[in-house]
Amino acid sequence: GEDVEQSLFLSVREGDSSVINCTYTDSSSTYLYWYKQEPGAGLQLLTYIFSNMDMKQDQRLTVLLNKKDKHLSLRIADTQTGDSAIYFCAESTGTASKLTFGTGTRLQVTL
Amino acid sequence: DTGVSQNPRHKITKRGQNVTFRCDPISEHNRLYWYRQTLGQGPEFLTYFQNEAQLEKSRLLSDRFSAERPKGSFSTLEIQRTEQGDSAMYLCASSWGLSQETQYFGPGTRLLVL
Repeated sequence: GEDVEQSLFLSVREGDSSVINCTYTDSSSTYLYWYKQEPGAGLQLLTYIFSNMDMKQDQRLTVLLNKKDKHLSLRIADTQTGDSAIYFCAESTGTASKLTFGTGTRLQVTL
Repeated sequence: DTGVSQNPRHKITKRGQNVTFRCDPISEHNRLYWYRQTLGQGPEFLTYFQNEAQLEKSRLLSDRFSAERPKGSFSTLEIQRTEQGDSAMYLCASSWGLSQETQYFGPGTRLLVL
């Protein structure tokens, strides 16, 4: 079955880079997503990557995909206090498909 | 376009009562999803509509849960005879079904069953 795993917690200093990791098991995953959730709020889509890509960059965000190892990472450059939130990795197998989420990584940014 | 909206944002109810939540998707989106998120976990899929047709339901969606999307626009999720284990955040998402489907989420309805 589908399973998505993430580490629970990451603490970084303001201005440093953050790297949040995710592993998934479903080899038929077509799209992989990163969502951000602030306390008491819904999920904000940050970025996504198609499974035939290995990298995608969007301003301060860089997504790396290692399809062989089923490993996805999100790098946030110049991390700010406003980046403090829970980050969810999610995968889907294509159109009209439910998302399967990881348990989320809580990012704490310290001064 | 104001994004996906959900009402109410918070609901407190007593065990055994029925509750109904509403989701208004982004206006041109034909697909609508419901997810449930419990504390410390990621969202879990409940059900999905394409237009007014309910096309998939999770095993998490017990007989006490029913969802509708009567005119292919807004959707309602009803929980009958609520139990304490139903306490969670209920999230709605919508998407426009093309080759790449991005789901946009609403702010959620937080349910507390006493």
